[in-house]
Order: sequence, then C-alpha cells, then structure tokens
Amino acid sequence: DGGITQSPKYLFRKEGQNVTLSCEQNLNHDAMYWYRQDPGQGLRLIYYSQIVNDFQKGDIAEGYSVSREKKESFPLTVTSAQKNPTAFYLCAAGLPYGYTFGSGTRLTVV
Amino acid sequence: AQTVTQSQPEMSVQEAETVTLSCTYDTSESDYYLFWYKQPPSRQMILVIRQEAYKQQNATENRFSVNFQKAAKSFSLKISDSQLGDAAMYFCAYRSADGGGATNKLIFGTGTLLAVQP
Repeated sequence: DGGITQSPKYLFRKEGQNVTLSCEQNLNHDAMYWYRQDPGQGLRLIYYSQIVNDFQKGDIAEGYSVSREKKESFPLTVTSAQKNPTAFYLCAAGLPYGYTFGSGTRLTVV
Repeated sequence: AQTVTQSQPEMSVQEAETVTLSCTYDTSESDYYLFWYKQPPSRQMILVIRQEAYKQQNATENRFSVNFQKAAKSFSLKISDSQLGDAAMYFCAYRSADGGGATNKLIFGTGTLLAVQP
C-alpha cells in the first residue's frame, strides 16, 4: 500500500538534546511537508520541500532543521534551540488537490 | 495572508441526525482549493471532502456535503445520518491554486471537535 510512514510514534527528549523524526513516503510525490499540532491551534507549517535537495522554511521554522537527500525521505530534527518542542508532529506528502498524512509522532520533553 | 476560521470549538449530534460544521476564510485570490479533514482519536488525518473554488457545484461524498459560498467566503460541512465513527476533530483547510512553493501549503483552521451521542 502507498503511504507515509512516520517513526517513532512516541519520542522523549531531554533538555538540550537534538532529536530526529523520520518521515518516509512511497507515493512518489515531489512535495513533502512538516506540520506541528498544538491543542487549540490547528496545524502550523514548519518546513516544506518541493523537490530533492531543496527545502523552504514555513511559518514556525525556528529551532527546527530538515534535509531532503532522497525523494522518499524528509526527516525533521528538533534542535535544542526549540524552546517548546512538546507537540504532535505530522508529515505530509501531496498533490495540489490533497495531501496524504502520516500517523504522526508525539514528542515530549522530559 | 490567507486565514481560516472555525468558530465552533465543539459540537455534538445525536446518532442518525444531521450536523453542520462552519468554516470561513479570508483571501484575495480567486482560484483556490478548500478541504475538510477528519482527525479521529488515532490522530490520523483523513481527507473528507475537497472543493475547487472555480466549481459552483457543491462537492458531495456519500454522507458528507459542503455548502460553498464563494462571495461570503464560507465553506460549511454537513454530515448526514451521523454515525458513532464520525466522532473526531474536523479541520477546514485552504490552499492556493496559483502555483508552487509556499502557495502549495495547506492553511488550517483551529478545528471543531465533534461528539456523536448514541
């Protein structure tokens, strides 16, 4: 089945630690996106990539970094500069008329 | 900048009844897409229905239909014959149709939590 796989499902980060969230797709889509979801705020765009080796900042990119070395993969690193990283993170890939989302990663600072 | 507003944080409906979720948006563009996504407790985002702004006919998908009022910038979702499995968070979203780059991003409302009472 075609889809998007996010891992891990749950992730715990210590203060000052960088962590990387994985996103893999087998849909052959060029465009991939990372969103952050907080209660009462909907989904906010962190980074997006329209093509391999290219990516752009979204609305809340501070404290995050990404890479796009392969079409299938778009990992997100949450750096120590992100002061409030506890949230639910969703990866998406898509076409103009609709995205497919992964099942998400819940990140918690401990 | 485009914005999407969902003014109903929570709604409740009796099983088998009909419920309408509201969404308004603000844009200066003439061509765009509007979407309703469903997020059940599993937190998987599921596309419910899509509307292209250039189409005057309201989109319908089985029990789900929309009332698209372009001049009023309104895009409500009607769920008929509500089922227990419809209980979820529903997000309205907007996407520009004017090209690539940042315009490809989905802009989401804050969501409406729908409860279905047996």
